[in-house]
Amino acid sequence: EIVLTQSPGTLSLSPGERATLSCRASQSITSSYLAWYQQRSGQAPRLLIYGASSRATGIPDRFSGSGSGTDFTLTISRLEAEDFAVYYCQQYHRAPKFTFGQGTKLEIK
Amino acid sequence: QVLLVQSGAEVKKPGASVKVSCKASGYTFNGYFMHWVRQAPGQGLEWMGWINPNSGGTDYSQKFQGRVTITRDTSISTVYMELSRLRSDDTAVYYCARDIYGGVGDLWGQGTLVTVSS
Repeated sequence: EIVLTQSPGTLSLSPGERATLSCRASQSITSSYLAWYQQRSGQAPRLLIYGASSRATGIPDRFSGSGSGTDFTLTISRLEAEDFAVYYCQQYHRAPKFTFGQGTKLEIK
Repeated sequence: QVLLVQSGAEVKKPGASVKVSCKASGYTFNGYFMHWVRQAPGQGLEWMGWINPNSGGTDYSQKFQGRVTITRDTSISTVYMELSRLRSDDTAVYYCARDIYGGVGDLWGQGTLVTVSS
């Protein structure tokens, strides 16, 4: 099973700042089969990024994904109030053994 | 409108079974696999399994093998997830999610809270 480790566990920033979230895999994820989701409190997850760097439909361009192999990053260029939420990475390299990271909580400083 | 609507909250006793439904609308039901993912209170996301609505073929996480059954009724565009031999640590919100790209959930249901308590 591929284990995904996200860091930091909690990130405290202010609106307008840049957020950088990390996701590290226990083994290489070929073809960049990595996705990122946002989950606001009390809501279902929302797909942000797939294929490591492709934005899902309707996702603002302040969200960007990068990385390959075992190291991946989600960047939010200028934080808005609605961006404070929990973010999960997910690998779909080893279908159908899909796994998620434990999440990074992005909170208002 | 493209939508997944799940059944309502359930309270079950340990050892019982629960069956959660997920009704799809606004798209071709047979054209997309459907995942089930759960989230225990205050915890992260956990993949349980998926179904090919076209063939009915399924795959399950090893953790739930033998306890989970995912089925579908194409006549009403609905997928079901049944979990048996419930334990207190099965208390969670259960989500269905439409698959794209062979593993990514692009459309999610609103979630169904299942509480297991004696």
